[in-house]
Amino acid sequence: NAGVMQNPRHLVRRRGQEARLRCSPMKGHSHVYWYRQLPEEGLKFMVYLQKENIIDESGMPKERFSAEFPKEGPSILRIQQVVRGDSAAYFCASSPPGQGEDEAFFGQGTRLTVV
Amino acid sequence: RKEVEQDPGPFNVPEGATVAFNCTYSNSASQSFFWYRQDCRKEPKLLMSVYSSGNEDGRFTAQLNRASQYISLLIRDSKLSDSATYLCAVPTGGGNKLTFGTGTQLKVEL
Repeated sequence: NAGVMQNPRHLVRRRGQEARLRCSPMKGHSHVYWYRQLPEEGLKFMVYLQKENIIDESGMPKERFSAEFPKEGPSILRIQQVVRGDSAAYFCASSPPGQGEDEAFFGQGTRLTVV
Repeated sequence: RKEVEQDPGPFNVPEGATVAFNCTYSNSASQSFFWYRQDCRKEPKLLMSVYSSGNEDGRFTAQLNRASQYISLLIRDSKLSDSATYLCAVPTGGGNKLTFGTGTQLKVEL
């Protein structure tokens, strides 16, 4: 049973380009969460998705950031027109279906560097 | 009051020592709590879950104090390999959306 898979592990983008980060949850998990960790800071929640639905996007910046979790395929976090301040580690986590407060398991993260 | 708060440390302790970290939370309705370990800004790895008064796993013990709204992590007989950042996390909102503390850095020395 593979864990949460994220790719790419490292991504370098020039200012103004688009960044696409992918996350495949653990088998049997239908809830996906994206977190961002800026240098020297803690993990901050960005968005919570279930298949084809955004449940909570309260942590997403208002502009340039979007997320989806289609019926088929991985969840995608998309950052348009990247700026240097977007450089961070982006972690995806997944948890099983249900309303309980279950453990969440993290992928290895994507380290985005904007040059 | 922050939703989840931790002392950032660093805690520098000799090998073999016992060390404890606290984490305070603001939402009195929280039912579960998690300690994660993060090495060198790699992915957080679940260390312990706390659903009632506490949990123990080998050298690690987590305790919950609902009245004072804090959880603690106790590490006995510290090893060099325990050096890491320990993150406290509390579900806030729907599903398993987690709010993390800023983490407590532990350095175990010879």
